Amino acid sequence: EAGVAQSPRYKIIEKRQSVAFWCNPISGHATLYWYQQILGQGPKLLIQFQNNGVVDDSQLPKDRFSAERLKGVDSTLKIQPAKLEDSAVYLCASSLLQGPSTDTQYFGPGTRLTVL
Amino acid sequence: SQKIEQNSEALNIQEGKTATLTCNYTNYSPAYLQWYRQDPGRGPVFLLLIRENEKEKRKERLKVTFDTTLKQSLFHITASQPADSATYLCALSNTGRRALTFGSGTRLQVQP
Repeated sequence: EAGVAQSPRYKIIEKRQSVAFWCNPISGHATLYWYQQILGQGPKLLIQFQNNGVVDDSQLPKDRFSAERLKGVDSTLKIQPAKLEDSAVYLCASSLLQGPSTDTQYFGPGTRLTVL
Repeated sequence: SQKIEQNSEALNIQEGKTATLTCNYTNYSPAYLQWYRQDPGRGPVFLLLIRENEKEKRKERLKVTFDTTLKQSLFHITASQPADSATYLCALSNTGRRALTFGSGTRLQVQP
């Protein structure tokens, strides 16, 4: 079974530029998450989708970050404009079931963003 | 506010010994606690989940305890191997909010 795919793996941009990340979850997984992991910290949830609807985006900086999950499969996360403090690894995760909190999350390799 | 604390200093142990990692939390009443392993340049990988009404869970060389009175979980790796060297993350969740709240992780280094 293929895992969660993310691209690109690395991205370097200047501040105030825009950037987009792509995620393809495990086939059949209803729930998709985007996390931000700053160096030396644990992942922090940005947004959670269930199929193509948003379940939780309370920690998403909506003035600059946006995300969508078209057709309940792939997802993109965009930052516009980027700030220096956005330098981090952006992790995508997916899980199979829609309900239980015991549902295991499967993470992709992440996209490492450097904002100069 | 919710706080999850893991020892930020790396834990160095000798191969064959038992590694014990600690996760403490405050201002939180989690229904579930999970442990993940993260290698450099990779995403976290799920290891174990324990429910609030469970005291202990085991899987092969791994053991997790969950003390809701102390608000603490201990994660043990017995007969540790150099291949166990990684960062271990503790994560909490509730039935209402399914997304995980992670600690900052503890780096384990097993010396041969």
